[in-house]
Amino acid sequence: DTGVSQDPRHKITKRGQNVTFRCDPISEHNRLYWYRQTLGQGPEFLTYFQNEAQLEKSRLLSDRFSAERPKGSFSTLEIQRTEQGDSAMYLCASSLNIGNEQFFGPGTRLTVL
Amino acid sequence: KNEVEQSPQNLTAQEGEFITINCSYSVGISALHWLQQHPGGGIVSLFMLSSGKKKHGRLIATINIQEKHSSLHITASHPRDSAVYICAVGPGTASKLTFGTGTRLQVTL
Repeated sequence: DTGVSQDPRHKITKRGQNVTFRCDPISEHNRLYWYRQTLGQGPEFLTYFQNEAQLEKSRLLSDRFSAERPKGSFSTLEIQRTEQGDSAMYLCASSLNIGNEQFFGPGTRLTVL
Repeated sequence: KNEVEQSPQNLTAQEGEFITINCSYSVGISALHWLQQHPGGGIVSLFMLSSGKKKHGRLIATINIQEKHSSLHITASHPRDSAVYICAVGPGTASKLTFGTGTRLQVTL
């Protein structure tokens, strides 16, 4: 097992464009989390899935953000009509069950010009 | 006031020094995590603890549930320990983490 992977690692886009990020969790992990980290700050929770069900969304996740985990394996995070304030590191993590250690991916760094 | 506060925000130490990073939290938790983040962004989980003390190599983490406080200690620090150390808590039965802003550690020769 190679751990949590994210793709792409870096994305530069122009304001107004749509972007999509992918996260592949550790294979047997049923919980998958998305966090966002801006420069100099700790990560902030965005949303999480148990299998394919999206169980909670932060109020940080505006209508322009959508996340899916269609088959309970990989997940995608889409941002529509990107804004400069969306520039951040988007981190994915997975865990086996509630309360277990979370394993983080390398992150996708988004820059919106 | 943030739910998770870390101190100091920045720390510079010389190789070999004993280092302590502190974390205080204001919510009820099921577990506290110490994470390490290197330049480039990757986060590695160092410890997850809900009581007492854990040790791994030169790293020691302690938690006092009554005082809502945890410390991360690094013995015999080395330049490769230079990173941002982040405290995070998992409140109650929820599994999402709430993070501190991190402590940036630089260890010099």
